[in-house]
Amino acid sequence: NAGVTQTPKFQVLKTGQSMTLQCAQDMNHEYMSWYRQDPGMGLRLIHYSVGAGITDQGEVPNGYNVSRSTTEDFPLRLLSAAPSQTSVYFCASSYILLAGDRETPYEQYFGPGTRLTVT
Amino acid sequence: GEDVEQSLFLSVREGDSSVINCTYTDSSSTYLYWYKQEPGAGLQLLTYIFSNMDMKQDQRLTVLLNKKDKHLSLRIADTQTGDSAIYFCAERGSSNTGKLIFGQGTTLQVKP
Repeated sequence: NAGVTQTPKFQVLKTGQSMTLQCAQDMNHEYMSWYRQDPGMGLRLIHYSVGAGITDQGEVPNGYNVSRSTTEDFPLRLLSAAPSQTSVYFCASSYILLAGDRETPYEQYFGPGTRLTVT
Repeated sequence: GEDVEQSLFLSVREGDSSVINCTYTDSSSTYLYWYKQEPGAGLQLLTYIFSNMDMKQDQRLTVLLNKKDKHLSLRIADTQTGDSAIYFCAERGSSNTGKLIFGQGTTLQVKP
């Protein structure tokens, strides 16, 4: 298994440009999510998905779009990049908690991250 | 709402014990986690504890959970320079979606 893969590893954008950060997993995980990591602020959830065709907003969704057309892929789109979006972006995936099953811990597997700079 | 708090920095000498602390607010949390992030890398699960446990030991790692005070700690015995990293505490949210709520991360610096 490749686990969770992210591309690109580094990206520099100019203000106003758009781009898509790619994330893929080969573990058949239902749950996928995007976080951004900024110094002193930990990981903040941008968007998440509990299955193909289902997405929802996290803590900091503004300026980002997602879609989930397949179980494997969960791309993050920056519509019009701003310097405030300079950050390290992580994709993560896990199995989903089954209804009534609160006994099973699940591990979120993280990708290696994309370091984005917006000038 | 759900919130997880950690101190930002801890410095210890090689061979000493490190204790990283975390507080959380969601009393319905079922699992609490410790993740480790090495420089330039993603996060990896270090250990976890179920909410009906007080303590979990795994080699050099000891996790203590005080559910009454909503306080979690990670003790690393005989800390090595390779333990230098950022450590994140996380709780499983009260929903069934799979969402985890992360703290800000504690940077552990191990001096030789």
